[in-house]
Amino acid sequence: GNSVTQMEGPVTLSEEAFLTINCTYTATGYPSLFWYVQYPGEGLQLLLKATKADDKGSNKGFEATYRKETTSFHLEKGSVQVSDSAVYFCALRGGTASKLTFGTGTRLQVTL
Amino acid sequence: DVKVTQSSRYLVKRTGEKVFLECVQDMDHENMFWYRQDPGLGLRLIYFSYDVKMKEKGDIPEGYSVSREKKERFSLILESASTNQTSMYLCASSSGLALNTDTQYFGPGTRLTVL
Repeated sequence: GNSVTQMEGPVTLSEEAFLTINCTYTATGYPSLFWYVQYPGEGLQLLLKATKADDKGSNKGFEATYRKETTSFHLEKGSVQVSDSAVYFCALRGGTASKLTFGTGTRLQVTL
Repeated sequence: DVKVTQSSRYLVKRTGEKVFLECVQDMDHENMFWYRQDPGLGLRLIYFSYDVKMKEKGDIPEGYSVSREKKERFSLILESASTNQTSMYLCASSSGLALNTDTQYFGPGTRLTVL
């Protein structure tokens, strides 16, 4: 079946540091890949997505590239801000259904 | 903007009570989903529905049921609440069109505590 593995958190960074959150997946066929973000006290919001190999999703300074050869979709940002503190979830949608499979989430804490 | 609303942000119930969690979306979406979110486990799909009166089991349906009588509303029902159902419950919807661009939109969540 489908599965998503994310790096364990929490990740603590100083403002303006470089961020990488690793995500690898297992799926049959050609899944679509997503990053969702959950700010404190809120539901999940779509951050970015990629639907085919070598696609790069980007939004709000975050980027992730769909790497089929390494089955990865790592999230990166060049300079994090305190307002980026949140929990980040990697997810995939495989096959013909609309269901998503989520990773366990990675908490990011950015300090001044 | 897509809006997904959930009836309560916080709920406290007693063991054995019947609990209803309501979710409403305003974008005429075909698909609706119920997840629970637990620390270290991420989000796990309980049930989903791809049309009115249609439902399918997700990964952890035991102890839950759902109802979708109208397109915009999807209810999660705990027939007899138990302490291991204490969790954050998240509802989501998606259009169901063009699968490769379909995006799920989430509500703010209901934090349920069963005592």
